[in-house]
Amino acid sequence: QQQVRQSPQSLTVWEGETAILNCSYEDSTFNYFPWYQQFPGEGPALLISIRSVSDKKEDGRFTIFFNKREKKLSLHITDSQPGDSATYFCAARISGGSNYKLTFGKGTLLTVTP
Amino acid sequence: GGIITQTPKFLIGQEGQKLTLKCQQNFNHDTMYWYRQDSGKGLRLIYYSITENDLQKGDLSEGYDASREKKSSFSLTVTSAQKNEMAVFLCASSVGTGGGNTLYFGEGSRLIVV
Repeated sequence: QQQVRQSPQSLTVWEGETAILNCSYEDSTFNYFPWYQQFPGEGPALLISIRSVSDKKEDGRFTIFFNKREKKLSLHITDSQPGDSATYFCAARISGGSNYKLTFGKGTLLTVTP
Repeated sequence: GGIITQTPKFLIGQEGQKLTLKCQQNFNHDTMYWYRQDSGKGLRLIYYSITENDLQKGDLSEGYDASREKKSSFSLTVTSAQKNEMAVFLCASSVGTGGGNTLYFGEGSRLIVV
């Protein structure tokens, strides 16, 4: 059973446009949602994260919008740059306690065309 | 800062062979992980270790063994390599429990089975 779903599988935008990457989850106990960015040949790296007590988290051109009731979140990348071309993974976990497991989605491959 | 070093970067083996991947971290992190990344399937947790000499199974542990010899190193053994096992194996580490644990990933080791 896939607990974290991402869409679209791939996305192409023009430089300067806003890219919107979607994520949904099933487990209502998830309360921490990081997004990881992965460039070819590298390991994923944390980009931005949000806790379920917030509905928005902003970091420069990257913003997470979170809807707890619908169990959905999205990553908006404004003024997209060719250097943003990468695979983006949405992940989820239960924060704290002894639960170490981070559940990842399958990823969205973003291509930003100059 | 710190770094995760995975060796080898490419591992070529024959079907049925026992193959070992190694991972070293100098973050002084307590927790280490092995993930498998298949194209279009995201990251799936194989094993993790909360501290030295600890081992916990992930979702994909069948066919694998792991060993946490010391705090800084975590190795993964494919017990009998199969051709459908060709994937990238990612090692990661994190501080431990509590809050939003950031995972720091290595660059990955690509397994090729001939």
